[in-house]
Amino acid sequence: EAGVAQSPRYKIIEKRQSVAFWCNPISGHATLYWYQQILGQGPKLLIQFQNNGVVDDSQLPKDRFSAERLKGVDSTLKIQPAKLEDSAVYLCASSLLRGVLDYGYTFGSGTRLTVV
Amino acid sequence: KQEVTQIPAALSVPEGENLVLNCSFTDSAIYNLQWFRQDPGKGLTSLLLIQSSQREQTSGRLNASLDKSSGRSTLYIAASQPGDSATYLCAVEQETSGSRLTFGEGTQLTVNP
Repeated sequence: EAGVAQSPRYKIIEKRQSVAFWCNPISGHATLYWYQQILGQGPKLLIQFQNNGVVDDSQLPKDRFSAERLKGVDSTLKIQPAKLEDSAVYLCASSLLRGVLDYGYTFGSGTRLTVV
Repeated sequence: KQEVTQIPAALSVPEGENLVLNCSFTDSAIYNLQWFRQDPGKGLTSLLLIQSSQREQTSGRLNASLDKSSGRSTLYIAASQPGDSATYLCAVEQETSGSRLTFGEGTQLTVNP
């Protein structure tokens, strides 16, 4: 099966600019996640979708970050305006619903964002 | 709030050595625990997933154990190879609060030929 697709792979922007990342999950995966991984740290959940709805966005900086999942498939994560501390790898992942056979996460390759 | 700690932060070993990576977590009410591998500039690859009711899982040269009551997991790598060089991340999923993963900061492993 095809994996989780993310684009772009790399992005360099100046602070106060805006940026958007795109994710296409594995077909049939109801749950989609966006994680932020700062260099030298483990990933941290930003937002979790189940189909079209948001399940958990408690750690999303809502004053500058937004995300949507159209028709329960693809998702975009936007940062506006970007700050230096947003420099990180943004990882998208998807999974089946908990309790289903073969439940588990599949991560994409990530988008490396550098804010200068 | 769940906290996950991994020790050591970095490890360098000669090829062929058996090694153990450690992970501890503060809240034992977990749904599962997963070990991931991350190569430089890449995403995360799932290695092993242990359900809360299980004690261990094995895949090839990898064996992961879980002691839920003490909040500990170990990843054992047998006969290490240079290709095993990567960062290994431990992550726990809580029984409640959705299916969010809480990650440790990882162990950076280097296997020298």
